[in-house]
Amino acid sequence: ETGVTQSPTHLIKTRGQQVTLRCSSQSGHNTVSWYQQALGQGPQFIFQYYREEENGRGNFPPRFSGLQFPNYSSELNVNALELDDSALYLCASSSLGEDTEAFFGQGTRLTVV
Amino acid sequence: QKEVEQDPGPLSVPEGAIVSLNCTYSNSAFQYFMWYRQYSRKGPELLMYTYSSGNKEDGRFTAQVDKSSKYISLFIRDSQPSDSATYLCAATPSNTGNQFYFGTGTSLTVIP
Repeated sequence: ETGVTQSPTHLIKTRGQQVTLRCSSQSGHNTVSWYQQALGQGPQFIFQYYREEENGRGNFPPRFSGLQFPNYSSELNVNALELDDSALYLCASSSLGEDTEAFFGQGTRLTVV
Repeated sequence: QKEVEQDPGPLSVPEGAIVSLNCTYSNSAFQYFMWYRQYSRKGPELLMYTYSSGNKEDGRFTAQVDKSSKYISLFIRDSQPSDSATYLCAATPSNTGNQFYFGTGTSLTVIP
């Protein structure tokens, strides 16, 4: 167990809807990153949050947005869901500026129908 | 061209075999290299974390990085059926965060 928890574990949404995924980072970690992993692919970086600010973003449209809270937990919001958004969404926590590894949660599997 | 390339396999070996998993990368700025193991429908689990070139050993696992050829390897000795999983290599320019670039993953099956 990594201490990184994500909720919910599974979710089914309809195209055009909005979804919010949640992540609690490991104790002592101040940075959360979100990744999208399509079936049969490696995780793709969506964005990273450090001290409640976005600190880097991958090649994802603005309808993917996030938040980080003072306790370092985080949310990923996706608006106007598309069928291609169906994937495993992973969050990873670490400590920015320290030589520490990143630990992943178990993921949220999102299915868009 | 993807930043990190990895042969997706699948790879099937008998129990006890030595397994070699490999990745190549294109970005010379990458300094930190990781191997993750991912069981079906689970999050990736960190196996090895190395900085720059060289070898790192942990039990049955050995990670190698050759920055001159931009080549990353993971060796598994005395493979066990419980090693059956997808193995992901990843790289990042610095340790100041976790903006990792992943390969597609190699699916490994160890047959009893």
